[in-house]
Amino acid sequence: QVQLVQSGDDMKERGASLTVSCKASGYTLTDHGVNWVRQAPGRGLEWVGWISTHYGHAMYAQHLQGRVTMTADISTSSVFMELRSLRSDDTAVYYCARERTFRVGPAEIGYSAMDVWGQGTTVTVSS
Amino acid sequence: DIQMTQSPSSLSASVGEAVTITCRASQPISYYLNWYQQKPGKVPKLLIYATSSLQSGVPSRFSGSGSGTYFTLTISSLQPEDFATYFCQQSYNSPRTFGRGTNVEIK
Repeated sequence: QVQLVQSGDDMKERGASLTVSCKASGYTLTDHGVNWVRQAPGRGLEWVGWISTHYGHAMYAQHLQGRVTMTADISTSSVFMELRSLRSDDTAVYYCARERTFRVGPAEIGYSAMDVWGQGTTVTVSS
Repeated sequence: DIQMTQSPSSLSASVGEAVTITCRASQPISYYLNWYQQKPGKVPKLLIYATSSLQSGVPSRFSGSGSGTYFTLTISSLQPEDFATYFCQQSYNSPRTFGRGTNVEIK
C-alpha cells in the first residue's frame, strides 16, 4: 500500500542541525511532490515547504528560508528535510505528506491536496 | 500569504447532531480548499479536497461547500469517531496555509 515512513524521533541542542527522512513506498516517488508540515505542541499545522520530486526544486516557508533545505533521492525513494541553526521554537512534530493532484469535474481541473502522510517525527530542541 | 480563518475554534456537540465549521480565506481561492481531520496523537487525514470532493473511504455524512473566500464543512450526524480537530487548507498557491483548527468535543 502507499505509505510514507519517516525517520525516528530526535533531540537536538539549540544551534544544531537536523535531518528528517521520509521514505515512500507503494508508488513512484517522482509522480508526486512532497510537502513538509510541522505541528508545535498543542498548536496547529504549519507548512514548512514542498519539493518537486521530479525536478528537484523546492519552495520554503519564508520565515525558514536560509535554514531549511529539502532534497530527494530517487534511488532510495526518499526525501529529506534539513533544518539548521535549530531554535527552541523548532520543537514540533514534523510530517512529510504527499501532494496529489486530483482531476475534478468535466474539465478535469487539477486540485492538489495532501493525501498520504508520514507517521510524524518528534523533534525536541533543548536549550 | 493567504490567511485562513476558521470558526469556531471549538464546539461541543452530541452524537447525532449536525455541525458546521466555517473557513474564510483572506483572498479568493476559487475551489482550492481542503479539509483534514486530526485525532489526538494521530496523523492528519484528508477528508475533502477541491471544496466538496470526498476522499476515498470518507463517510458520506461529511460534506463541504463554498467558493471564493467562504467555505463550510458539515457533519450531518456526528458519530463518536468524529470527535477530533478539523483544519482547512488552501492549495490555491504557495505557501500552503492552514486554518488554526476547530476542536469538536463531546457535549
